[in-house]
Amino acid sequence: KAGVTQTPRYLIKTRGQQVTLSCSPISGHRSVSWYQQTPGQGLQFLFEYFSETQRNKGNFPGRFSGRQFSNSRSEMNVSTLELGDSALYLCASSQGTGGNSNQPQHFGDGTRLSIL
Amino acid sequence: AQTVTQSQPEMSVQEAETVTLSCTYDTSESDYYLFWYKQPPSRQMILVIRQEAYKQQNATENRFSVNFQKAAKSFSLKISDSQLGDAAMYFCAYRSRGYGTDKLIFGTGTRLQVFP
Repeated sequence: KAGVTQTPRYLIKTRGQQVTLSCSPISGHRSVSWYQQTPGQGLQFLFEYFSETQRNKGNFPGRFSGRQFSNSRSEMNVSTLELGDSALYLCASSQGTGGNSNQPQHFGDGTRLSIL
Repeated sequence: AQTVTQSQPEMSVQEAETVTLSCTYDTSESDYYLFWYKQPPSRQMILVIRQEAYKQQNATENRFSVNFQKAAKSFSLKISDSQLGDAAMYFCAYRSRGYGTDKLIFGTGTRLQVFP
């Protein structure tokens, strides 16, 4: 079974630009979550999608958005990029039981986003 | 709100020896899940072990075991017979049960070095 696939692996952007990151979950997984990892703030939850609906959102500005498609693939978008958005963005997929089972989230390799 | 604390930024161990990584958490919930994830330099978060709060028995996965103390809100990870491949960042994570979300709350991580 293929794991969680994130593309691209690396991305360099400049301030003010916009970026879209992609995540393909494990086959059969219906929930996709996104996390931002930085040395200063650690791992922070961005949002979670289940059946094309956002069912949970972290404390990030509106510049961060996402969506999920009918095949469970997800994209996250960051507009008007700032230097502080430089981070590793991790995507995780799960069966989507909403916390009702011990099934873990499975993570992708992440997208390293650098803002110049 | 739930929080997870890992008070050891760095730990080191000799190959074949045993090391224990600490994790404490704060929650008012009575039912939840706890996880340990490992993140090697390759960046992918890998599940090491999981524990259901309603189970008194400590989880074990080969050389990895936990000491779960629910009343003390403590969830430490013991690695026996340490191997060079165990060198990585280790994250403790909390997930609520039954609240319609798979969101994970992470600690700040412990960097484990393994010396030959």
